[in-house]
Amino acid sequence: ETGVTQTPRHLVMGMTNKKSLKCEQHLGHNAMYWYKQSAKKPLELMFVYSLEERVENNSVPSRFSPECPNSSHLFLHLHTLQPEDSALYLCASSQDPSGGELFTDTQYFGPGTRLTVL
Amino acid sequence: GQNIDQPTEMTATEGAIVQINCTYQTSGFNGLFWYQQHAGEAPTFLSYNVLDGLEEKGRFSSFLSRSKGYSYLLLKELQMKDSASYLCAVRDGDYKLSFGAGTTVTVRA
Repeated sequence: ETGVTQTPRHLVMGMTNKKSLKCEQHLGHNAMYWYKQSAKKPLELMFVYSLEERVENNSVPSRFSPECPNSSHLFLHLHTLQPEDSALYLCASSQDPSGGELFTDTQYFGPGTRLTVL
Repeated sequence: GQNIDQPTEMTATEGAIVQINCTYQTSGFNGLFWYQQHAGEAPTFLSYNVLDGLEEKGRFSSFLSRSKGYSYLLLKELQMKDSASYLCAVRDGDYKLSFGAGTTVTVRA
């Protein structure tokens, strides 16, 4: 148990569907992250929120839309996805690293949502 | 771009030692992390190096040479439960971690 939970754990959706992934952290962190993990590829950072503001957006297509209503919750809204978007989507949280002691910003990951787009 | 290289697979015997190497070329460096990821589970934090040298944590040790852009993770007294993927990641900015593709370690009896 890492203190970061994600729901659902598995999701199958058609290309015309709209769905949302949810992440919740119970670690008192103030930065949250979305990553994509495809088979045999490195984790790719998608979005970063710190203190509820988006601070990184790594050229992610607009069919992925993040939302961070507070420091404990992060959503990823999905619409009109493509089959190549099928992957494991991981959420992580940390203390905000900017200006702080480096070690305290270790990122802790949730178990991920296995997404399949048909 | 960022380049993080680590071997794809390694196999070792229970009780043995395995060393997983990681080389990196990144635009910045604010520390190197190692994570362990069992199939279908979350990556879990193992170690962090920001200064050159060896960090030891029980059966796991991690080494860093910033001048060489090189790190290794050393797993001692291997156990079956150590079979997993090991991810090397470099923090090259305030927030961004750049990951290698991971090394799958298989421990055999």
